[in-house]
Amino acid sequence: SAVISQKPSRDICQRGTSLTIQCQVDSQVTMMFWYRQQPGQSLTLIATANQGSEATYESGFVIDKFPISRPNLTFSTLTVSNMSPEDSSIYLCSVPEGGEQFFGPGTRLTVL
Amino acid sequence: GQNIDQPTEMTATEGAIVQINCTYQTSGFNGLFWYQQHAGEAPTFLSYNVLDGLEEKGRFSSFLSRSKGYSYLLLKELQMKDSASYLCAVRPDQTGANNLFFGTGTRLTVIP
Repeated sequence: SAVISQKPSRDICQRGTSLTIQCQVDSQVTMMFWYRQQPGQSLTLIATANQGSEATYESGFVIDKFPISRPNLTFSTLTVSNMSPEDSSIYLCSVPEGGEQFFGPGTRLTVL
Repeated sequence: GQNIDQPTEMTATEGAIVQINCTYQTSGFNGLFWYQQHAGEAPTFLSYNVLDGLEEKGRFSSFLSRSKGYSYLLLKELQMKDSASYLCAVRPDQTGANNLFFGTGTRLTVIP
């Protein structure tokens, strides 16, 4: 199965600042997904990161708030911009492989 | 939109069997996944069903009925370490987009 790493694993940030989360996969994958898991809740898809084209965002998520980069087939970044306490969540990247889907360890973000 | 329902919480006794149900109404169907998530950790893949019937993997089994929009996860010989949240997720897109939509998760507590 794909091995996925994320940086940072956790961070505490001030309101109004931005944080960029990195996701690295040990193999080339066409699609990478970014999910959010708010406290006590399940996972919500933010966007699909496509290599060579703009990310595709789900309803309720916009590029200005969550800009995504996908410079190659093994790497992606998600930026959480102009943060507020409501952005406190775990952010996870995910990749499909062989019909299954695997998740990175997550980035736990706390916004004060 | 996608609608995936699961019970919020369940409690079962060590050594017993528990069945966690999931119903879904989605724009399409290209597979149903079950994940286990321990507190503070990323989801880990348990099972995948795309055809009707039962898939067995050791103590865990998953069942799917596409006509009824229904799945269940069956856990046998429960152990204390099985206390976790169990997430049902559907891949609605048949074009290969691979993104998953998750239910709210079922928090299972195993008691002695």
